[in-house]
Amino acid sequence: DAKTTQPTSMDCAEGRAANLPCNHSTISGNEYVYWYRQIHSQGPQYIIHGLKNNETNEMASLIITEDRKSSTLILPHATLRDTAVYYCIVRVTGSARQLTFGSGTQLTVLP
Amino acid sequence: DTGVSQNPRHKITKRGQNVTFRCDPISEHNRLYWYRQTLGQGPEFLTYFQNEAQLEKSRLLSDRFSAERPKGSFSTLEIQRTEQGDSAMYLCASSPLDRDNQPQHFGNGTRLSIL
Repeated sequence: DAKTTQPTSMDCAEGRAANLPCNHSTISGNEYVYWYRQIHSQGPQYIIHGLKNNETNEMASLIITEDRKSSTLILPHATLRDTAVYYCIVRVTGSARQLTFGSGTQLTVLP
Repeated sequence: DTGVSQNPRHKITKRGQNVTFRCDPISEHNRLYWYRQTLGQGPEFLTYFQNEAQLEKSRLLSDRFSAERPKGSFSTLEIQRTEQGDSAMYLCASSPLDRDNQPQHFGNGTRLSIL
């Protein structure tokens, strides 16, 4: 599975949009991008995933560049409860393979 | 949908003791995964079941570790002769079989502390 690169940490003001970048320049055509987050002392929580089209659900939006080498997770109106470590993961489609987590981005939402 | 359930939430034991954790996946999820997470790191894969068959094991899974899923529903992870380095959060995840791109859903883990 392709390797991902994320900033170590980011801050965001409460009520503003949080934009979390992820670089996956070696991604191949059959790899999906998944986003999870982990709040302290809890298990990872699935947020969203996509292949090449932008995706939106009740939690977030996922914007994937046309060349698929990077993506951005957008939390439209961040709240204090969105403070967490956010993981960007790529995984080959059509397989049952495990998720390979990196170190993620610590997002801190400030009041 | 009650989510993935893991028990116990916390386990404290002395070095050398055996411990067993349980994971109840989301109902009808055929795939079940175990991960381990140490402080400040992302989760690392340990092993994977499809129904009752254990199909993949990580090199992290030493011979002191054994996992079972006897009826294809709940799973147990046992660690024998625990060592200090086994202190970690043990996470379980499940996903359905029929659609391969479906995400894994995680439980809240069992935190193991070795004294």
